[in-house]
Amino acid sequence: EADIYQTPRYLVIGTGKKITLECSQTMGHDKMYWYQQDPGMELHLIHYSYGVNSTEKGDLSSESTVSRIRTEHFPLTLESARPSHTSQYLCASRRVTSGQETQYFGPGTRLLVL
Amino acid sequence: AQSVTQLDSQVPVFEEAPVELRCNYSSSVSVYLFWYVQYPNQGLQLLLKYLSGSTLVKGINGFEAEFNKSQTSFHLRKPSVHISDTAEYFCAVSSNNAGNMLTFGGGTRLMVKP
Repeated sequence: EADIYQTPRYLVIGTGKKITLECSQTMGHDKMYWYQQDPGMELHLIHYSYGVNSTEKGDLSSESTVSRIRTEHFPLTLESARPSHTSQYLCASRRVTSGQETQYFGPGTRLLVL
Repeated sequence: AQSVTQLDSQVPVFEEAPVELRCNYSSSVSVYLFWYVQYPNQGLQLLLKYLSGSTLVKGINGFEAEFNKSQTSFHLRKPSVHISDTAEYFCAVSSNNAGNMLTFGGGTRLMVKP
């Protein structure tokens, strides 16, 4: 069983602030993902990584950036938060075993930008 | 607290056969329910959602799900599957009490065989 951690769980912050949403997993998974949940509660992939030093943009354009310096850590950064960034951000990682992939989700971070 | 249980981690089925993927949830308040699909090497895609109204919800690709409040279930069904339906399926729940944050089940891998 994988453990995916996200901090903070809730964040209220003012416009213009720089924020970093943390995501870490303890099982050595290579693939990691960031999703954004829009008001209609659908998830959109905004970033993903296939391993250390690998980062790719997802289906939904996002002003956020990510880094993958260590396998277990995949932080997401907003340089200047705006009210339009208010959303839920969900981190996930995938394990590949015997050719099959299994995805694990973190608990999510609810961001409110005032 | 809300939680989601997907009872089957894998469901093998032959092409053109019917399939049901089971999902049960627990929550002390009214909920919104979702099914997502993830194809290999892709992000999550919304199949269907229940917010209110008719308990039978139709989604994309011929899938449907029925919300059963007394049994706290939201099983996903398709009368005839195709090889292309092979993917991982996730059930999720959210509620106003949880700030509309999604909680995911562990996923069910649907394997359609010719």
